[in-house]
Amino acid sequence: GESVGLHLPTLSVQEGDNSIINCAYSNSASDYFIWYKQESGKGPQFIIDIRSNMDKRQGQRVTVLLNKTVKHLSLQIAATQPGDSAVYFCAENSSSGNTPLVFGKGTRLSVIA
Amino acid sequence: SAVISQKPSRDICQRGTSLTIQCQVDSQVTMMFWYRQQPGQSLTLIATANQGSEATYESGFVIDKFPISRPNLTFSTLTVSNMSPEDSSIYLCSVGGGSSYEQYFGPGTRLTVT
Repeated sequence: GESVGLHLPTLSVQEGDNSIINCAYSNSASDYFIWYKQESGKGPQFIIDIRSNMDKRQGQRVTVLLNKTVKHLSLQIAATQPGDSAVYFCAENSSSGNTPLVFGKGTRLSVIA
Repeated sequence: SAVISQKPSRDICQRGTSLTIQCQVDSQVTMMFWYRQQPGQSLTLIATANQGSEATYESGFVIDKFPISRPNLTFSTLTVSNMSPEDSSIYLCSVGGGSSYEQYFGPGTRLTVT
């Protein structure tokens, strides 16, 4: 399939290691943040979200950390697998699902087997 | 979560022609959004489509170039008019979760203009 994110920053990680993908945001009014995973030839897939009243949230093998002081968001993937290879985007908004998201630039994760 | 389909999945079109992209959702949703993803780039919002009213366009996008229809709560179309090679992109529709903050995306339409 057609690849997206050809010119995006790339993070290369050995299979089994932990991955950390970072994102900076600029709107201090944002109160909701999502991480999406986009595989080649597919639309973005929801991974995990966090509200601004939290600083950490855990899912299955993934953890999102939010630092509102420095407007920084990170996605941690434990025991990275080849299937985690994709482009990862953070997104933010300041209201409910009835307003559009603002997307970050994205990071390509490449897992080395 | 909502299941979203788009047609066509990909197309190769000639300069000067128009293409209409369809987005179908398996449940009724208030808001639908259309995004563009140029090669190697992130997603940029084109417009927000609310059923029963005119679409709201973002800066840099105009109705004459990207007309949108929203005839009911499960369907929308985006037309890319008078295409040029610069319109080559992935076009994605998205729906909001209403009272939920989550948003879901369709698989995208990969457009190449020659």
